[in-house]
Amino acid sequence: DAMVIQNPRYQVTQFGKPVTLSCSQTLNHNVMYWYQQKSSQAPKLLFHYYDKDFNNEADTPDNFQSRRPNTSFCFLDIRSPGLGDAAMYLCATSRDWGARGYTFGSGTRLTVV
Amino acid sequence: QKEVEQDPGPLSVPEGAIVSLNCTYSNSAFQYFMWYRQYSRKGPELLMYTYSSGNKEDGRFTAQVDKSSKYISLFIRDSQPSDSATYLCAMSETSGSRLTFGEGTQLTVNP
Repeated sequence: DAMVIQNPRYQVTQFGKPVTLSCSQTLNHNVMYWYQQKSSQAPKLLFHYYDKDFNNEADTPDNFQSRRPNTSFCFLDIRSPGLGDAAMYLCATSRDWGARGYTFGSGTRLTVV
Repeated sequence: QKEVEQDPGPLSVPEGAIVSLNCTYSNSAFQYFMWYRQYSRKGPELLMYTYSSGNKEDGRFTAQVDKSSKYISLFIRDSQPSDSATYLCAMSETSGSRLTFGEGTQLTVNP
């Protein structure tokens, strides 16, 4: 089945130790998004790619970076994770920007110790 | 003030009950309205997608939009334990713009 796959499902990292989360999609969608969702909060958009065109939200901390080497893969790099970065990170795709909602992956739950 | 307000619950109902979930919003430019269901430790999945005011029905689910009141609802008829999840409303100004999410309402349907 076509889908959005995130790895790993659970990630534990040490305070300040760089970590990379990955997302792959078989939907051939143009747009890929990274959201941060903390407990009982709305998902917060960090960035999105339309194809290779990168768009950073104004309030996304510099600590967060992203790479999209090809259509299928997108990575979220957290350069120096702090305790406040512990959250669920959701990858989503859409055929075009905002088209009829998104297809989400199952998320990566990040714990910072 | 948040652009989208959603009562976080938790909401607990017996099996078979009619469930009403609601969101209010402040941005009158929102035209596209969605409901997502998110099971524990999973990503959200799209349940309903509506444009402008009116009703949309899909099986046991009905989405209502009242743009004059800036109020949207999701009704679940004959609720089942498998409906237990967090329900997120989301909305956008155009079909090609960013989604703004509510915080989600946690629903438990008890057998």
